[in-house]
Amino acid sequence: DGGITQSPKYLFRKEGQNVTLSCEQNLNHDAMYWYRQDPGQGLRLIYYSQIVNDFQKGDIAEGYSVSREKKESFPLTVTSAQKNPTAFYLCASLGTTNEKLFFGSGTQLSVL
Amino acid sequence: DAKTTQPPSMDCAEGRAANLPCNHSTISGNEYVYWYRQIHSQGPQYIIHGLKNNETNEMASLIITEDRKSSTLILPHATLRDTAVYYCIVSSWGSQGNLIFGKGTKLSVKP
Repeated sequence: DGGITQSPKYLFRKEGQNVTLSCEQNLNHDAMYWYRQDPGQGLRLIYYSQIVNDFQKGDIAEGYSVSREKKESFPLTVTSAQKNPTAFYLCASLGTTNEKLFFGSGTQLSVL
Repeated sequence: DAKTTQPPSMDCAEGRAANLPCNHSTISGNEYVYWYRQIHSQGPQYIIHGLKNNETNEMASLIITEDRKSSTLILPHATLRDTAVYYCIVSSWGSQGNLIFGKGTKLSVKP
């Protein structure tokens, strides 16, 4: 079945450590997105990519980095510069013929 | 900032219709209205979208005002499983740019 997969479901980060969240889709979608969600809050856009080898900053990109080397993959790295990384991270993809956003099941990142 | 305004929370009795409003007064002519919902600790799920005509699918109905400045999502017979946060967003068809979600409406369906 086609879909979007995030891993791991839970992730712990130590002080000063970079961690990478995986997002893979087999929907052949061009556009992919990363959102951050804090408890009781809505979704805030971190980065998005409309095509391979290209990406743009969203509203809260500081302390995060991404890459888009393959159409299927859009990993998010939470760097040590992100001082408050504890949150629920959601990845999504969007095709051009089907305008529904498909979301992964999310990764809960916590700081040790 | 989000292009839409929604009430932060609403209650609905089980079996009754849930009517969730959304204001999008700055919507442009080529922008659609989309609704998603998020059950706790899961990824949001698509519900329905529309441009100017009312729409209905197996999950819900979408009523868009004639001036397109507001819309209402209707869950005709709410169940406890419909308890979730509902997001209304506007976006151009074919736009793959910056998709902005607001804080949504927390719908609580009560027995």
